[in-house]
Amino acid sequence: QKEVEQNSGPLSVPEGAIASLNCTYSDRGSQSFFWYRQYSGKSPELIMFIYSNGDKEDGRFTAQLNKASQYVSLLIRDSQPSDSATYLCAGVRSNYKLTFGKGTLLTVNP
Amino acid sequence: DVKVTQSSRYLVKRTGEKVFLECVQDMDHENMFWYRQDPGLGLRLIYFSYDVKMKEKGDIPEGYSVSREKKERFSLILESASTNQTSMYLCASSTGLQETQYFGPGTRLLVL
Repeated sequence: QKEVEQNSGPLSVPEGAIASLNCTYSDRGSQSFFWYRQYSGKSPELIMFIYSNGDKEDGRFTAQLNKASQYVSLLIRDSQPSDSATYLCAGVRSNYKLTFGKGTLLTVNP
Repeated sequence: DVKVTQSSRYLVKRTGEKVFLECVQDMDHENMFWYRQDPGLGLRLIYFSYDVKMKEKGDIPEGYSVSREKKERFSLILESASTNQTSMYLCASSTGLQETQYFGPGTRLLVL
């Protein structure tokens, strides 16, 4: 099993809809998780980080962490065309190395 | 604002050349990282450094070395470039190993 796996996508949603991005991880010792957004040809930029079980909200974005199920998700409410990008899930493993999923390409259609 | 800069956006080198990629951060971060990003393989950690002169192998260190002589600067060295090292190279820095990593703009390296 890969260290961090994301639903492969691509994912396409209409403008104004909720986009749901999911990620599972294999290292039970992982403590910190991050969602990055990467536009084509650009470097990753942080959207949210989450360390504790439960939900964390920041504007239109909600990250969810379930350590028992080893599951991390990102919800984007009221999706906008500017949200169209590749979303990368990442977790810090027990050896302190950050591992990224391969990313999910999201397209928000006007 | 955290700023991470990389010496080149694009680089073309020949097989067998020694290649230096430089990264500088201005936020006094302890930790610096080098990744490569390839289609279908995602971002993979090459090396990281948690202090000046300290380094640790990432997941794919073969064919690479690093140098961190000053806190703000982390160099990635390809001792003898090969075509399979053609990739996007991304540098990042963070305050702690469990903390957010901030990325530079990337260097797209083509080895001919």
